[in-house]
This record gives sequence, structure tokens and C-alpha cells, in this order.
Amino acid sequence: GQNIDQPTEMTATEGAIVQINCTYQTSGFNGLFWYQQHAGEAPTFLSYNVLDGLEEKGRFSSFLSRSKGYSYLLLKELQMKDSASYLCAAMDSNYQLIWGAGTKLIIKP
Amino acid sequence: GAVVSQHPSWVICKSGTSVKIECRSLDFQATTMFWYRQFPKQSLMLMATSNEGSKATYEQGVEKDKFLINHASLTLSTLTVTSAHPEDSSFYICSASSEGSAYEQYFGPGTRLTVT
Repeated sequence: GQNIDQPTEMTATEGAIVQINCTYQTSGFNGLFWYQQHAGEAPTFLSYNVLDGLEEKGRFSSFLSRSKGYSYLLLKELQMKDSASYLCAAMDSNYQLIWGAGTKLIIKP
Repeated sequence: GAVVSQHPSWVICKSGTSVKIECRSLDFQATTMFWYRQFPKQSLMLMATSNEGSKATYEQGVEKDKFLINHASLTLSTLTVTSAHPEDSSFYICSASSEGSAYEQYFGPGTRLTVT
């Protein structure tokens, strides 16, 4: 079956770095997405990886290893506004997104 | 660019009534629209996928006669919750993708439905 695993909740300190891991199993693979979702709001797109390696975009970076079925989202210089849920989603061979349950990130001062 | 709107942003209705939620792509043509439901502290659950001018494809367990989806144009899709029950209370989110960017979904702001 198809499955996405990511931690339920993580806590980090303002100004620090946090890495949110995601493992996936899908029927075929057409890329890995990360979305940010604040409480009561819709998800917003953060990143898309389809090739192995690290993609850096400002304070956020995303890594993919296709052979390991593994991705992570790295957030640097954490700010209080980064407190949100981070959703990992893998696109299968039918171009359908398989969603993880999300990781709630709590930032403490 | 790539803005998706939803209307209404929240709605309260009585059991047994029907509610229509609109999803519009404002600055691009959405060849495919997706409807999701999200219960508190849970991830997105895909309900159905619709392509313009075609019947929607519903996910397993989603009643197509209860959740009516119409994708009449390249900029508008509607979800009608018929004979609503309190257990239908949820956050409904639509997303859209264009032919030129099939890999990326642009999400609407969501509609919070409360059925009393």
C-alpha cells in the first residue's frame, strides 16, 4: 500500500535549526512536496523535489533520497511565525498526492 | 499569480439542508481541481478529483450522491453537500492545477462548515 510517515509533533527554539523527516512508499513516484499549514488555514506550497539532493530556498531547504524513500525539510533561523504543521506529500504514478498526517512544529522563545 | 479563492469562508447550516461551496481559480485555467476534507488535527483527505467538463472521480468511501461536484468551467468548481449531517462538519479545501503545472496544486483558503 501507499504510506507516508512523519513525526506527529516537534518542538524547537527560536533561532535554532530543525529537521522534519518524512519517509514514503508509493506506487511509482513523481516527486515529493512539502506544505506549511497554519491552524485554520489552507496549506501553502514550500518545496518540490523530484531529483536526489538538497534544494535550498531561503531559510527552508528540502532534501530527497529516492533510493531510500526519504525526504526532510530543514528550517533554519527559526521564527515564532514558523509554528505550524508541515505536511509531506508524495506524488504517485497517477499524479495523485499521497499526504502524510503532518508534523506540528512548536517554536519556543 | 496562481490564486485560488473559495466561497464562503465559513458557513453554518441546519441538518438536512444543502450547502454549496465554490472554488475559483482567479488568474489561471484550472484543468484539474481537487476537493479535500480535513478534520481537526488530521491531515488532508482527498474526496474527489475533477477535470473540466468531466465527471468527478471520487475516492473510496466518499458518497458521490451526497457530495456533488461540478467542474463546469476552467475557473470554477463547486462542491454541494446535500442533506448535511453534523458529522459533515469539517474544513473543506479545494486546490487546482493547470495543464502547464500539473505537479503543483494551488490551494484555496478553505471553507469551514458547521452543521447544527
